[in-house]
Amino acid sequence: DVKVTQSSRYLVKRTGEKVFLECVQDMDHENMFWYRQDPGLGLRLIYFSYDVKMKEKGDIPEGYSVSREKKERFSLILESASTNQTSMYLCASSSAGTDNQPQHFGDGTRLSIL
Amino acid sequence: SQQGEEDPQALSIQEGENATMNCSYKTSINNLQWYRQNSGRGLVHLILIRSNEREKHSGRLRVTLDTSKKSSSLLITASRAADTASYFCATDWTGGFKTIFGAGTRLFVKA
Repeated sequence: DVKVTQSSRYLVKRTGEKVFLECVQDMDHENMFWYRQDPGLGLRLIYFSYDVKMKEKGDIPEGYSVSREKKERFSLILESASTNQTSMYLCASSSAGTDNQPQHFGDGTRLSIL
Repeated sequence: SQQGEEDPQALSIQEGENATMNCSYKTSINNLQWYRQNSGRGLVHLILIRSNEREKHSGRLRVTLDTSKKSSSLLITASRAADTASYFCATDWTGGFKTIFGAGTRLFVKA
């Protein structure tokens, strides 16, 4: 079974801090994704990556950056955390394909910015 | 803008009853997927139906797709308390390979 591991389940940070969220997958998937999930808004795509060192902006990239130095690891960076970035963050991975492949999700990081 | 939108937003049923959730989308798709999310956890993929398929089954799950109406439904038969979760439809579109998730239907199955 695919396992996607997010480094923290809960995280509390202060406004202005630089925050790193880490995600590791163990199935050699090409694609990796970062979403945030807010009540009533569903999942919104922040960034995705289809290969090492490649990244594409999603729907809400402002205030975030990402890093993919190794195939199995995809990091989300909040450059200067703000209270409106308090949310549930979900990482996912999928294999490459001509159509969208099923995504495998981690259990999420609930991030609070004070 | 959201590609997939689920209906109803919330559903409460008794154990043993069937649960039906609907999803509408806006543009042409290659496939449509359904996911489940238990409280405080990540999403789990349930089933994928391609645009040239009309119906698909997996255990107690039945998914239909009507591309002419741009809609899909997920039927869970003989529901159990363990089916209590949020259910999301997710679509791609033929113009790209991002997956767009709806806001979900919250299902509560009473024992």
